[in-house]
Amino acid sequence: EPEVTQTPSHQVTQMGQEVILRCVPISNHLYFYWYRQILGQKVEFLVSFYNNEISEKSEIFDDQFSVERPDGSNFTLKIRSTKLEDSAMYFCASSDPGQVYNEQFFGPGTRLTVL
Amino acid sequence: QKEVEQDPGPLSVPEGAIVSLNCTYSNSAFQYFMWYRQYSRKGPELLMYTYSSGNKEDGRFTAQVDKSSKYISLFIRDSQPSDSATYLCAMSGTGGFKTIFGAGTRLFVKA
Repeated sequence: EPEVTQTPSHQVTQMGQEVILRCVPISNHLYFYWYRQILGQKVEFLVSFYNNEISEKSEIFDDQFSVERPDGSNFTLKIRSTKLEDSAMYFCASSDPGQVYNEQFFGPGTRLTVL
Repeated sequence: QKEVEQDPGPLSVPEGAIVSLNCTYSNSAFQYFMWYRQYSRKGPELLMYTYSSGNKEDGRFTAQVDKSSKYISLFIRDSQPSDSATYLCAMSGTGGFKTIFGAGTRLFVKA
């Protein structure tokens, strides 16, 4: 069964460093998403991406964040200058809007720890 | 007022019990109502979705949406220890893109 994959599973970085989180969405999906979940808190929407551009973003997704689909398979989230409060699980998701319901399939997540 | 409110629990029940999980919401624009299950250190997995009001059944799971009360429920019949997980309610508007999650209810089913 096709699935969303994410690398790395755990990333440790120093405050102020740039990090890139990588995702490989399901191959025939056209919409891509990033969510984050701070430990013990709810899953929060960050951004959705379609046709090589951001279709919607939350107030969390400020200028420190960017997303890119550098090739036909990867979808990345870049955090330019990490802060302690960026420590969280980051989930990538993808969906096929051609279905009756736009079900989003989530990856296993990348745990980001900012020291 | 939070957009989606969900009691985080934990909720502990014996095997075979009927479990009732609930969420309330404030945004009338929500059209799709979902329940996700999340195991520890894993991504959310969709259990069921409902469009607009009504009931939907899938095996031991029943989802209910009451848009007039802005209240959604998930019932689990004959609960099993393998149902132990965190259950997240989630909602989205037309198109089902940006999804807003509740805090999740942690469920423990004891054998």
